[in-house]
Amino acid sequence: GAVVSQHPSWVICKSGTSVKIECRSLDFQATTMFWYRQFPKQSLMLMATSNEGSKATYEQGVEKDKFLINHASLTLSTLTVTSAHPEDSSFYICSASRDRRSYEQYFGPGTRLTVT
Amino acid sequence: GQNIDQPTEMTATEGAIVQINCTYQTSGFNGLFWYQQHAGEAPTFLSYNVLDGLEEKGRFSSFLSRSKGYSYLLLKELQMKDSASYLCAVTSGAGSYQLTFGKGTKLSVIP
Repeated sequence: GAVVSQHPSWVICKSGTSVKIECRSLDFQATTMFWYRQFPKQSLMLMATSNEGSKATYEQGVEKDKFLINHASLTLSTLTVTSAHPEDSSFYICSASRDRRSYEQYFGPGTRLTVT
Repeated sequence: GQNIDQPTEMTATEGAIVQINCTYQTSGFNGLFWYQQHAGEAPTFLSYNVLDGLEEKGRFSSFLSRSKGYSYLLLKELQMKDSASYLCAVTSGAGSYQLTFGKGTKLSVIP
């Protein structure tokens, strides 16, 4: 159990357009979901934490108006990159935990975004 | 602030033992994780330490010393498939367990 999926697995978009990435917990309810970004040869950087039914908490330096996060249900969170630019090209990974006190996070397979 | 250090790269021979070290300086501590990440894939959970000591799980063991801000991941009987990046991550916040990751150690296993 504890499977997390992401869709799409990769996407190419033109500069100025918006891209939506979905993160789903397939066999459990995820009270909390996390969004990370990973640039080549870098580690994962936490972008934001979202709890179902409430607004996401963004890390310092992450523009909340550019990276829109919606956690509308216990099994789905979405990240929308608005007005994408080439510097937004990265590997975006979500993770989910069963409840706020659970230490274990289950990672999705990631989404490779390329902005041309 | 958070600071997590681990070696950038390591090379080891198939069948051998390798130890990957991680030192951390964080404001608050709720546990330390090790993850394995193959290129282009998401991390997979290896271990979690919150108390001092050694946790053994098959070929993988993880050690923690909270007073020294130090952990290591020990991989025994190395296999070629163990070639991957190994990420040390620390949780420090109360409530939701936000992870702060180190930059990862790229391990290459050679025949």
